[in-house]
Amino acid sequence: EDQVTQSPEALRLQEGESSSLNCSYTVSGLRGLFWYRQDPGKGPEFLFTLYSAGEEKEKERLKATLTKKESFLHITAPKPEDSATYLCAAWGAGTYKYIFGTGTRLKVLA
Amino acid sequence: EAGVVQSPRYKIIEKKQPVAFWCNPISGHNTLYWYRQNLGQGPELLIRYENEEAVDDSQLPKDRFSAERLKGVDSTLKIQPAELGDSAVYLCASSFARTLDEQFFGPGTRLTVL
Repeated sequence: EDQVTQSPEALRLQEGESSSLNCSYTVSGLRGLFWYRQDPGKGPEFLFTLYSAGEEKEKERLKATLTKKESFLHITAPKPEDSATYLCAAWGAGTYKYIFGTGTRLKVLA
Repeated sequence: EAGVVQSPRYKIIEKKQPVAFWCNPISGHNTLYWYRQNLGQGPELLIRYENEEAVDDSQLPKDRFSAERLKGVDSTLKIQPAELGDSAVYLCASSFARTLDEQFFGPGTRLTVL
């Protein structure tokens, strides 16, 4: 069964304290791995798509990487406005739907 | 460009009552998704439309849930009758096609069943 697991469930960082969020996936024939950000009371907002192992993408203080078993979202020198829940989702072969993880709730303290 | 619009934003009902949610996707997006998100969980797909055709409704509890997408644009998701366990946020998303494109999510409807 396709599965996506995110860790940690929650993370508190001081402003400027870099860290990484993990997304482990068990998906047959991964076609894409997606990262979304979700603020309270809002729908998820797209961040990145990764298609193959070794691929990396960056946006401001965020960098996403992908291996054959997991993806990492690296946050460099975070700011309080980076506080949100970060969701990853996997898209497997033979299907047209995301399998979402449960998310990591990030809190960045000033 | 307007995003995905959903209404209402909040709904509180008694159990056994019916409820409906409405979604207007981004103009030109052929694919529309309804998700349910329980507290502390990721979204779970309920149904996916390609234009007006429901092409994946395997996760939709068909005894009480129904959905329609008339003319391949707006969509309505209905629950009748609602149960306590239906309390959740119902998200609508759209994308240009059934490719590996990003999905654009609406703000969701928070349903509370008492």
